[in-house]
Amino acid sequence: GAGVSQSPRYKVAKRGQDVALRCDPISGHVSLFWYQQALGQGPEFLTYFQNEAQLDKSGLPSDRFFAERPEGSVSTLKIQRTQQEDSAVYLCASSLLPPGTSGSYNEQFFGPGTRLTVL
Amino acid sequence: AQKVTQAQTEISVVEKEDVTLDCVYETRDTTYYLFWYKQPPSGELVFLIRRNSFDEQNEISGRYSWNFQKSTSSFNFTITASQVVDSAVYFCALSGDYGNNRLAFGKGNQVVVIP
Repeated sequence: GAGVSQSPRYKVAKRGQDVALRCDPISGHVSLFWYQQALGQGPEFLTYFQNEAQLDKSGLPSDRFFAERPEGSVSTLKIQRTQQEDSAVYLCASSLLPPGTSGSYNEQFFGPGTRLTVL
Repeated sequence: AQKVTQAQTEISVVEKEDVTLDCVYETRDTTYYLFWYKQPPSGELVFLIRRNSFDEQNEISGRYSWNFQKSTSSFNFTITASQVVDSAVYFCALSGDYGNNRLAFGKGNQVVVIP
């Protein structure tokens, strides 16, 4: 398909387990974002990649959260020693160009999200 | 810092009624972008509209319209003649014209259209 895909769509983890969430952005998209959406809330920014470089990780809530995009395409968000407060939907978005490239806003295209439940 | 406030949480309307969603934002940027997204039960965020800060012209796109008032930092959104398929959560969002274009979202409005 041509859109952003995420896997798994649903993940149940026991508290203390490590999880890895995958994002496949639209082919050729330079920018990639991760957002966390708690139940009943709006998405909140976690981190941003431009190609393989993680340029902003200011939204990551703790050092248990780690994201990578080693080849500038697929990205993985890893959460170590999961806790109940990590339960949320994790959304990935990609955009074609780096910010400011075209002089106008570069649209972010969102994936369907991964719903993480920590028991 | 960017902040978006959506006051109402759940709004119920009868089909064919109009529904208006309020959004108030805060930013120190002189150039910024405002958005409305729809999130149906499937969970995917669907882009609806975008305005930039230097264009306050209000427009209509199909059944959607918006009222951007820079003086009151508001970006309200109206669905005209609502349909059952409009039932979803609607988010207002803001992005500054700096850094990485990260989006700041409001808490969302749950719209329920009753047939």
